Formats: sequence, structure tokens, C-alpha cells
Amino acid sequence: KTQVEQSPQSLVVRQGENCVLQCNYSVTPDNHLRWFKQDTGKGLVSLTVLVDQKDKTSNGRYSATLDKDAKHSTLHITATLLDDTATYICVVGDRGSALGRLHFGAGTQLIVIP
Amino acid sequence: DMKVTQMPRYLIKRMGENVLLECGQDMSHETMYWYRQDPGLGLQLIYISYDVDSNSEGDIPKGYRVSRKKREHFSLILDSAKTNQTSVYFCASRDRGSDYTFGSGTRLLVI
Repeated sequence: KTQVEQSPQSLVVRQGENCVLQCNYSVTPDNHLRWFKQDTGKGLVSLTVLVDQKDKTSNGRYSATLDKDAKHSTLHITATLLDDTATYICVVGDRGSALGRLHFGAGTQLIVIP
Repeated sequence: DMKVTQMPRYLIKRMGENVLLECGQDMSHETMYWYRQDPGLGLQLIYISYDVDSNSEGDIPKGYRVSRKKREHFSLILDSAKTNQTSVYFCASRDRGSDYTFGSGTRLLVI
């Protein structure tokens, strides 16, 4: 059973617009949550990691929130650029140590058009 | 620049052939992983290695085995490849308290 659900599956926005990606999960325990960016044909690159019960992070045009009570996270991308075209993957870690497992969502495919 | 290198990038094999996927990292990370990524699914864990000769099965180990004889090198082996092992395989590494570093993937086609 899928433990990390992302929505929407795909999204098309115009350059300069903002967008919000959603992640709902049922992983327990939920030690931390990461957002990764995956360009076509490439590996995953970490954007941010959220740890606290109610957490917020900001990394340039990317900002993210986590609510562990709701088991929900959002990734906001402001003023999108063509290079933001990629798949964004939500990942929940069940422990902080290397013994923990990562639980991956299937990703949201974002396409930014001129 | 810290990185995880996977070789080869692309591979075509016939059903029943043996397959060797190689992964190297230059960060002296203890823990390394092999995942596969299929369309519409999240990455699935095949094997974890906690250090040299300290390997554990992940969620989908059947049909795969691994080898880690040096900390910087982790291999994934498919003995007698099957068509349902066609996938993109990712290697990753992590050290205590560090972030995860992923390779660029190996695209394997079994025909």
C-alpha cells in the first residue's frame, strides 16, 4: 500500500507563476520529510528537509511546510522558471539514523512553459 | 564536489544474462543503497549496505544480490536477468547526520 501520496500527479504553469505541491503520508514513525527535485534522466537532488512537528523551511524560491499531526507537507515554488521543469518527490524518513528507511512518493511532474 | 557515480548509464541485456551495476562514492560514506524506479511508483529499496560486507535486504531483494568489498564501492548483481527487472536503478549514499547523495541512475532494459 502506498504510504506517501503526492498531488497533483502533473502540473503545467507559466513561467513566473507560483505553484504548490502537496504530500500526504501515513508513514509511522515520521522522523523527517524531504523534498527532492529530479530532472529528466537525472538523479534526485535534495531541496529541503523538515524535522519538527510543525516545521517551515525556505531555500530561495522554494519553501516547504510540514504538519506531522496532519501528516501533510507542501512545497511552494514562487516565480517559476523554465529550469524548474522536473519531477518533485516527497520522501518520508522513519528514523533519523542510517538504520531508518525512506518512503518515496511517486512524484509530481511540473512543467513550466514560457 | 561530492558525488555518487554509477556505471554504466545505459545497458541492454537479454533475458537470462548476468548484469553488474556499479556504484562509487568519494565521500567515505558508510551507508549505501540500491533503489529501482518504475513509472508511477516511488523508488523502491532493493538493498542497504551499512559498511563493508554488512548488507541487508530492502523491500524488494528477490532476484538481486549485492557486493561491498570497499567502502567507496557498492555493486548490484542480477543473476539471470528477467524482463520485469527492466527499470532505472539508483544508487545513493549517506553518512551519519548527512544528507543523501544520489547517482544519476542506470537505465537497464532486459529483452
